[in-house]
Amino acid sequence: AQSVTQLDSHVSVSEGTPVLLRCNYSSSYSPSLFWYVQHPNKGLQLLLKYTSAATLVKGINGFEAEFKKSETSFHLTKPSAHMSDAAEYFCVVSEEGANNLFFGTGTRLTVIP
Amino acid sequence: NAGVMQNPRHLVRRRGQEARLRCSPMKGHSHVYWYRQLPEEGLKFMVYLQKENIIDESGMPKERFSAEFPKEGPSILRIQQVVRGDSAAYFCASSPGLAGPRRTDTQYFGPGTRLTVL
Repeated sequence: AQSVTQLDSHVSVSEGTPVLLRCNYSSSYSPSLFWYVQHPNKGLQLLLKYTSAATLVKGINGFEAEFKKSETSFHLTKPSAHMSDAAEYFCVVSEEGANNLFFGTGTRLTVIP
Repeated sequence: NAGVMQNPRHLVRRRGQEARLRCSPMKGHSHVYWYRQLPEEGLKFMVYLQKENIIDESGMPKERFSAEFPKEGPSILRIQQVVRGDSAAYFCASSPGLAGPRRTDTQYFGPGTRLTVL
């Protein structure tokens, strides 16, 4: 069975410093992995997705994530945080070919001016 | 190209009333998914539909909840005789169904409907 663990419920960084949001997953040999962002009272926006192509995935707004099969991780990073990055971030896994997504519990990112 | 549309954005119901939530997928998308987000939690899958067919309803509560995606018009999530525990944000997503076998379609989410049961 698939599952997602987001190791930090809340991360706080200063503007201009790097962002690291951690995610570990449990799934089949070939999972699909996603990061979505949710701004307050808004819907979810897809940041990036991994589907067994390159292990380093580049997304929108300068975010990227690296799929590490040996560590079953898919951590999200950004070199320099911007105030507009403050939001809730969800790591999501789906089994190979499945259509229902399994969400982590989310990490709230706070950016300090 | 308009995104996924959901209405209403906010819905208030008293216990025992019915709630109807609507979702119009992105243009060209024939697959619709409903998810529920309880306070301080991630989204939980409820149901996956294609036009006129329920494909997977493994996440739907067995009673009071139903979903449809008719040939014409939006997808509807219906909750009968609502209770306080139904208060949540309900998100709809759509996908084009182009991923092919052994691949997961990318799902695009609407802004959600926030249901409050008094």
